[in-house]
Amino acid sequence: LAKTTQPISMDSYEGQEVNITCSHNNIATNDYITWYQQFPSQGPRFIIQGYKTKVTNEVASLFIPADRKSSTLSLPRVSLSDTAVYYCLVGPRLYNTNAGKSTFGDGTTLTVKP
Amino acid sequence: DTAVSQTPKYLVTQMGNDKSIKCEQNLGHDTMYWYKQDSKKFLKIMFSYNNKELIINETVPNRFSPKSPDKAHLNLHINSLELGDSAVYFCASSRSGSDSYEQYFGPGTRLTVT
Repeated sequence: LAKTTQPISMDSYEGQEVNITCSHNNIATNDYITWYQQFPSQGPRFIIQGYKTKVTNEVASLFIPADRKSSTLSLPRVSLSDTAVYYCLVGPRLYNTNAGKSTFGDGTTLTVKP
Repeated sequence: DTAVSQTPKYLVTQMGNDKSIKCEQNLGHDTMYWYKQDSKKFLKIMFSYNNKELIINETVPNRFSPKSPDKAHLNLHINSLELGDSAVYFCASSRSGSDSYEQYFGPGTRLTVT
């Protein structure tokens, strides 16, 4: 299983762009990179997933360099409600025997200040 | 309608007791998981089931026994509870498929062993 490393915490201010980087040096060829968001007293919630280059949705962007040994989650113009823990997850797609074979990172606590 | 539900939300019990946590999903998914999140927010997979069959059984004491009566339910029974079992337990589900990548998490069950 690919091990991931993320910063423990980050601070930002409302309206700023936040970039959280995850290192995954031993990522496998069939591994994807997924990010989840967790608010206090709630379960994690899917944000975005990618394999290579750049992926963008209505919530965030995910940048993955060619060597895929790291990835960066980008949150544009954060607000106070984006204060949460962000987890990087690396592993194969979720079909039958692959289920559960992805490893959650230790999470980055993002605090957005007014 | 809640997609993934868990009961109870809070569970306070004494050492040595046996307790169960129930999980149900109404998403039609065929894969379900149990995760343990400790006080440091580390999220670790315990079990995963695909079509009621055990796929993943991480290094978990055999006091923990998952039971999947059907694809929509995955219950967790814990025997002889210990202080170290105190944590938040999350149930999750996903759809099996080569294009499947998102796990849906329940709200969590906070277990406190005294």
